[in-house]
Amino acid sequence: EPEVTQTPSHQVTQMGQEVILRCVPISNHLYFYWYRQILGQKVEFLVSFYNNEISEKSEIFDDQFSVERPDGSNFTLKIRSTKLEDSAMYFCASSDGGSSTDTQYFGPGTRLTVL
Amino acid sequence: KNQVEQSPQSLIILEGKNCTLQCNYTVSPFSNLRWYKQDTGRGPVSLTIMTFSENTKSNGRYTATLDADTKQSSLHITASQLSDSASYICVVSADWSSTLGRLYFGRGTQLTVWP
Repeated sequence: EPEVTQTPSHQVTQMGQEVILRCVPISNHLYFYWYRQILGQKVEFLVSFYNNEISEKSEIFDDQFSVERPDGSNFTLKIRSTKLEDSAMYFCASSDGGSSTDTQYFGPGTRLTVL
Repeated sequence: KNQVEQSPQSLIILEGKNCTLQCNYTVSPFSNLRWYKQDTGRGPVSLTIMTFSENTKSNGRYTATLDADTKQSSLHITASQLSDSASYICVVSADWSSTLGRLYFGRGTQLTVWP
């Protein structure tokens, strides 16, 4: 069964450093998402992406964040200058349709630790 | 404010027993409600999805109910198994054309099944 994959599984970085989290969505999906989950808290929406542009972003997704689909298979989330509060589990998701009833399939997550 | 609240926060049951998890939401206008299962260190996996007109939906030993008038949902698990130990998350979508797949998550109920 096709699945969303994410790398790395765990990333440790120093405050102020740039990190890039990578995701490979399910191959025939066209809609991509990033979510984050701070330890012990709810999963929070960050951004949705379709047709090579951001469709929607949350209040969390400020100028420090950017997303890109550099090729036909990868979808990346970049944090330019990490802060301690960026420490969280970051989930990538994809769906084949963009309606609210289309199921989003989640990857296993990347745990980001900012020291 | 769009919110999803779940109860109980955690639950311990013996293998073979049934349990019911609760979800209340204030997301409006409502599109659909999903229950996800999240194993530790993994991404959420969709169990059921219900739209406004659906009152109940089953998936094996999982049965979800929805009361769109009171904005409440429940997830009933029958004949629990050790593998049911996980976090069960209630997730609601709003019916906005500009909200491309944005999901609102509850905190989840942490279910532990003991042998």
